[in-house]
Amino acid sequence: EVQLVQSGAEVKKTGESLRISCQGSIQTFSSYWIGWVRQMPGKGLEWMGIIYAGDSDVRYNPSFQGQVTISADKSISTVYLQWSSLKASDTAMYYCVCPLSGAYWGAFDIWGQGTKVTVS
Amino acid sequence: EIVLTQSPDFQSVTPKETITITCRASQDVGYSLHWYQQKADQSPKLLIKHASQSIVGVPSRFSGDGSGTDFTLTINSLEAEDAATYYCHQSENLPFTFGGGTKVEIK
Repeated sequence: EVQLVQSGAEVKKTGESLRISCQGSIQTFSSYWIGWVRQMPGKGLEWMGIIYAGDSDVRYNPSFQGQVTISADKSISTVYLQWSSLKASDTAMYYCVCPLSGAYWGAFDIWGQGTKVTVS
Repeated sequence: EIVLTQSPDFQSVTPKETITITCRASQDVGYSLHWYQQKADQSPKLLIKHASQSIVGVPSRFSGDGSGTDFTLTINSLEAEDAATYYCHQSENLPFTFGGGTKVEIK
């Protein structure tokens, strides 16, 4: 079964750095695009960006560019979402997603279980 | 950025009713419009892709239609387990965007 497994919940202080991860059980992980979606408390879904695990080509949502960094380590089938200086407004649930079509413009067939980030 | 406008925002229905949720795009997205279901405290789940393509494992009472700028998700003969928030998503143009969601409550 194809799965994306995310790292656990984080509680951080304003100004701290953070990296959360998403590991895929997908065969040929490096052939897929993996994206990130934010959901702030009680709110809807926002697409943050997507990375090609094979060569780390990244497409960012302009709303998030410069605020976060998306990276990948294909040797361990893992994608990361990183902040250098957290704000209280980064408090949210973050999901990693994968279009199984192999193209970044596909539907998000697979979702991780979510990583809850709390910043105070 | 393509804006997706869903309606209604909220709907309260009785079991066995049929409901239709609408998603309107601010620009033509062709068939690159997908629907998700998110139950309380769960990750979203893909229901329909490319406007009308069914997904293995999703009950047949869920169906999608539309193209261009106007799309619908229909849920026939609602069941209690369909209580959730439903989102549309376009993957035609970057940045990809989601609709604001439609919360469905079962009376």
